[in-house]
This record gives sequence, structure tokens and C-alpha cells, in this order.
Amino acid sequence: DVKVTQSSRYLVKRTGEKVFLECVQDMDHENMFWYRQDPGLGLRLIYFSYDVKMKEKGDIPEGYSVSREKKERFSLILESASTNQTSMYLCASSSVGREQYFGPGTRLTVT
Amino acid sequence: QKEVEQDPGPLSVPEGAIVSLNCTYSNSAFQYFMWYRQYSRKGPELLMYTYSSGNKEDGRFTAQVDKSSKYISLFIRDSQPSDSATYLCAMEGFSSGSARQLTFGSGTQLTVLP
Repeated sequence: DVKVTQSSRYLVKRTGEKVFLECVQDMDHENMFWYRQDPGLGLRLIYFSYDVKMKEKGDIPEGYSVSREKKERFSLILESASTNQTSMYLCASSSVGREQYFGPGTRLTVT
Repeated sequence: QKEVEQDPGPLSVPEGAIVSLNCTYSNSAFQYFMWYRQYSRKGPELLMYTYSSGNKEDGRFTAQVDKSSKYISLFIRDSQPSDSATYLCAMEGFSSGSARQLTFGSGTQLTVLP
């Protein structure tokens, strides 16, 4: 079974803090994705990566950056957290041309 | 206008009912269509995956795609309380390299009452 894990289920941070969200997959997938999920808006793609050290912007990259130093690990970084970044963050991975598998999500609250 | 429209519900049905969940889309370039199920406080899990018009069946679930109408459906037969979840449709956007970008509907919240 595909397993995608995320470092935290719940996180509370203060405005202006730098926040790191970690995602690890154990299926040797080439592609990894970061989404945020908000009520009424569905899932929106923040960034994705199709190879180590490669990244591409999704639909809403502003205020975020990513890092992929190893194939199995994809990090999402909030450089200076703001209250409008309070959301559910979901990581996903996929092999070439195949469907995406999701982690359990991190519910981030920025106060 | 959103690229993918999905009725958010909520939808409540009695146990044993046939459930129909639907999405419409505007981008004729979409080729791959998926349905994900998301239980409360969990990540989405892939339920059905199709790439052509027509029907695909898997147990109590049937996915239907009508590309000419830009319309996809998920049918759940003999619905069970364990089917209570949010159902998300997803479609392939453009591909960059090997990574398929998905466009998601906003999700339909389903409750199956015992």
C-alpha cells in the first residue's frame, strides 16, 4: 500500500513565524504535491515537484516555498505565517502518469 | 466561473438508497477523471479513476463520464452509513513533465442515515 505521511496532524503557530510542513512517501514516487483545502474552495495546488530539486508553482504559490532534497521527502515552507494561511494542508504523491495518493493532512492554525 | 463545479450539498439519504453525485467542467482538455472519498479529518482516498467516456464499475460504485456534455457522475448503490463522507471529483489539468496536475471540485458532503 502507498503510504504518505505528514509530520504533524495539528499545528498552531503565531503570525510571522516560519513554518515547516514535512511530507514523506515510501513508494519511490517521482511526483509530490502540496495542496491546501478550505471550505467551499476545495483543494488548491500550491506547489509540486516532479524530481529531486525540481519544483513548479501551482495555482496559489504566494507566501509559500518548497524544498525537495530527497526523492521521498517534500517540504512546504511558510516564510512568514499569516492568519489567511490557516487551513488544512495536504501532501500527495504519484508515480509517472498515475493517480495521486494523499497523506492525512496537517491542520494549521495561525493566530 | 470555476473550471469544475460540484454541488456542495449536504446530501442526506436513507441507508440502502442509490446516491448520485455529479460534477460539470468547462475545460475540454481534461482527459482523466477521478473520484476521491474524504472522511472527516482525513486525507482524500482514491475511489475511482477513469480516462474515457462511459461507465466503470467497482462493487457498489459506478463512475460515469460524458465528455460531450462535460459531465461526470458517481453512483453509489445500496448506500451504507460507512459511505458518509465528502466526495471530491478531480480532473487532470495540463501535465508538466511527468506530473499530472489535478483540478478538484469543492466536494459534496454525503450522510447516509441508518
